[in-house]
Order: sequence, then structure tokens, then C-alpha cells
Amino acid sequence: TQLLEQSPQFLSIQEGENLTVYCNSSSVFSSLQWYRQEPGEGPVLLVTVVTGGEVKKLKRLTFQFGDARKDSSLHITAAQPGDTGLYLCARGGAAGNKLTFGGGTRVLVKP
Amino acid sequence: GAGVSQSPSNKVTEKGKDVELRCDPISGHTALYWYRQSLGQGLEFLIYFQGNSAPDKSGLPSDRFSAERTGGSVSTLTIQRTQQEDSAVYLCASSSRRNTGELFFGEGSRLTVL
Repeated sequence: TQLLEQSPQFLSIQEGENLTVYCNSSSVFSSLQWYRQEPGEGPVLLVTVVTGGEVKKLKRLTFQFGDARKDSSLHITAAQPGDTGLYLCARGGAAGNKLTFGGGTRVLVKP
Repeated sequence: GAGVSQSPSNKVTEKGKDVELRCDPISGHTALYWYRQSLGQGLEFLIYFQGNSAPDKSGLPSDRFSAERTGGSVSTLTIQRTQQEDSAVYLCASSSRRNTGELFFGEGSRLTVL
């Protein structure tokens, strides 16, 4: 049973369109990280959110942490082909142990 | 190099053979993690090291899987008597913080069991 549910599993859009990816859990997160993974590479951290209601922006990417700290979203404005990849959310556990990852959302931005 | 290094990048083996996968973390990173990723899927946790000890090995799928870390640096993941369902990309990551912080991943070792 996955502790983190990501939706949708796959998203295909045209360059210039907007998209939103969701990450949900039935339990509270202490913190949440978003990673992007390109083919043949390992995941790379995009952002960490720790405070309920927090909004962080990274260029055209906007990350939001739900008020109850059970959900998060990633919104990309005016997507570009370089945004193509697998987007993964991950939650931390108790001090010193592993990150648990969601199943990922595969995003394809067509030129 | 400055990043996490994994070898081999690709391994094709026959069912029943043993394989060893190696991870060289970023220098000075005390925490090291192994994850497994099936095609296009999320990451499945296998084992975590803090220094040379493994306080969490709860994700190892069976007793055919084992891992060790020596000198607080290089780690080896060993899979004995490989099965076809072991085929996946095995990712290693390291972290410099005792509490879960940013993980720095290697490019992975793709294992194919025929």
C-alpha cells in the first residue's frame, strides 16, 4: 500500500499549456519534497516544503503544501519540452530514516 | 567526480546467478540509501545506512538481498540467486544530514535478469 498517492499517473500536453500534479496522503507529513527524474538519470530535488499552507515558486513551477499537511501540488505555467520527466513527491519519516516516494507522474510536453 | 557514482550502469544476468551492485556516495555523506525502481514507476525503499550500520533494512524484499557498507563510504548491494522479478533500476542516494534532508542520487544500475 502506497502512503503517497500521485495523480495523474501520466500527463501529455502541448508546449505553452499549464499543468498541475497532485500528491495526497491520509496521514500528516512532517515535510514533503518534490523531485524530477529524467530518463537514465537519478531524481533531482526541486523543493522542500515544511509549513502548512506554504507556497514556493521556482521560476515557472509553483509548489503548494496543504493547510493540513496531507497534500501538495505542483503547478507548471507555460510548460516547455524541457519540463518533460517523472515528477515524484516524497515524505520524510522519523529522524534519520528513509524518504517514502509516491508512484510518480510522468509528464510529456510536446513542442 | 563530485556526485554519487554507481556501477555497473547496466547488468544482464541469467536467472539463478548472483550480482553485486556498487555505490560510491558523495564524500563526507554519512547517510546512504538504496531504492529500487521498476519501469516508469516510483521508488521502492530497500535499505538505509548511517555510517556503516543499517538501522532500517525493512525494504529488502527477501533474504536473497543483502547490503553492506564499509569505511562509512562505499556500499555494495548483493542479490543472490536472481529471479526475473528482480529486474529493475537500483538507485543509490546519499545525504549529509542525519535527519532526512535532500537526497543526492546516482544514475542507477539497470539490472535485467533473463
